[in-house]
Amino acid sequence: DGGITQSPKYLFRKEGQNVTLSCEQNLNHDAMYWYRQDPGQGLRLIYYSQIVNDFQKGDIAEGYSVSREKKESFPLTVTSAQKNPTAFYLCASSIKGTSGSTDTQYFGPGTRLTVL
Amino acid sequence: LAKTTQPISMDSYEGQEVNITCSHNNIATNDYITWYQQFPSQGPRFIIQGYKTKVTNEVASLFIPADRKSSTLSLPRVSLSDTAVYYCLVRNYGQNFVFGPGTRLSVLP
Repeated sequence: DGGITQSPKYLFRKEGQNVTLSCEQNLNHDAMYWYRQDPGQGLRLIYYSQIVNDFQKGDIAEGYSVSREKKESFPLTVTSAQKNPTAFYLCASSIKGTSGSTDTQYFGPGTRLTVL
Repeated sequence: LAKTTQPISMDSYEGQEVNITCSHNNIATNDYITWYQQFPSQGPRFIIQGYKTKVTNEVASLFIPADRKSSTLSLPRVSLSDTAVYYCLVRNYGQNFVFGPGTRLSVLP
């Protein structure tokens, strides 16, 4: 059963703690992405990775870190430096985009992080 | 990246056809148009994508005029389960997706 999985669905953390969100895909996609969504807002890009062992900052990377050691996995760590981490986090993947190809992004179910 | 403008919200009744228009006056020659649907507490789901004229799939139709400065997502005979947020995105292959606030569609019984 192909797709993108994120775990856990709900996550609670105390202020000052780091937390890691999991994202796994078995679609054999090259590219993976992390987005943040706040209530009533669109998605904002945190980090993305076009290939294993390489990743780029998105629009709101401060306070976050990622790794891409395997093609199918792209975990996101929300560090204590992130001032307002409570949000809905979405992971996505796509075939690496090139002109003339289809690089539609497919999203996971999301993780809702709440900082207590 | 081309900016898009869409209505913040729309209401419709079950069984009606819904048309959501997106303006993208600064669309570039190589940009294409993609629509996503998002239900509460779920990830966005791809609906349809096009470059010009008309595209139709089992879920929706996408109408793009010759000047490509706007596009219209058409949902035939909506049901309550079509209540969601719909996002219009304009981008070139390989560019990052930019999601605005979208259009919140409410389908009423």
